[in-house]
Amino acid sequence: GDSVTQMEGPVTLSEEAFLTINCTYTATGYPSLFWYVQYPGEGLQLLLKATKADDKGSNKGFEATYRKETTSFHLEKGSVQVSDSAVYFCAPNTGNQFYFGTGTSLTVIP
Amino acid sequence: GAGVSQTPSNKVTEKGKYVELRCDPISGHTALYWYRQSLGQGPEFLIYFQGTGAADDSGLPNDRFFAVRPEGSVSTLKIQRTERGDSAVYLCASSESGDMNTEAFFGQGTRLTVV
Repeated sequence: GDSVTQMEGPVTLSEEAFLTINCTYTATGYPSLFWYVQYPGEGLQLLLKATKADDKGSNKGFEATYRKETTSFHLEKGSVQVSDSAVYFCAPNTGNQFYFGTGTSLTVIP
Repeated sequence: GAGVSQTPSNKVTEKGKYVELRCDPISGHTALYWYRQSLGQGPEFLIYFQGTGAADDSGLPNDRFFAVRPEGSVSTLKIQRTERGDSAVYLCASSESGDMNTEAFFGQGTRLTVV
């Protein structure tokens, strides 16, 4: 069945460091790919998405590129801020549901 | 505008009791999802509604779990004979069409504790 594997956390970085969170998926169809974020005390919200191969989603300085050949959708940010501290979820969607990874907790220290 | 609203925000119940969790989706959204999130885990799919009908209920863990959406708007997740293992945060989400390219908007969740 469809599934997603996400980089294990927790991740702790200093402010202005480079961030990569790996995500690979298994899907029988051709999914759309999403990254959701959960800030402390808040609900899940969309960070970015890409709906076809080679598309790049971007938002708030974060980027992820839909790589069909490697079935990956790695999240990157060039310079993280304290306010980026949150849990990040990779979530492919092949039709009826989003498949969520286990989440990667990020803490950014000043 | 208003987002997805879930009530109650917290529910403590005794083992064996029946509970109902309510979800008010964003107005006009035809697709509605229920997920369950245990501590330290990602959300786990339970059921997906398109309008009034359950288009995919493959995630419901057993027949103690049931969900309805009688008028295509508000949905209720019902759990019979609750067990301690049912303790989790239950999340509801809605999207405009349910198309796989479309973002889903999540509520804050109902934290269910079975004691």
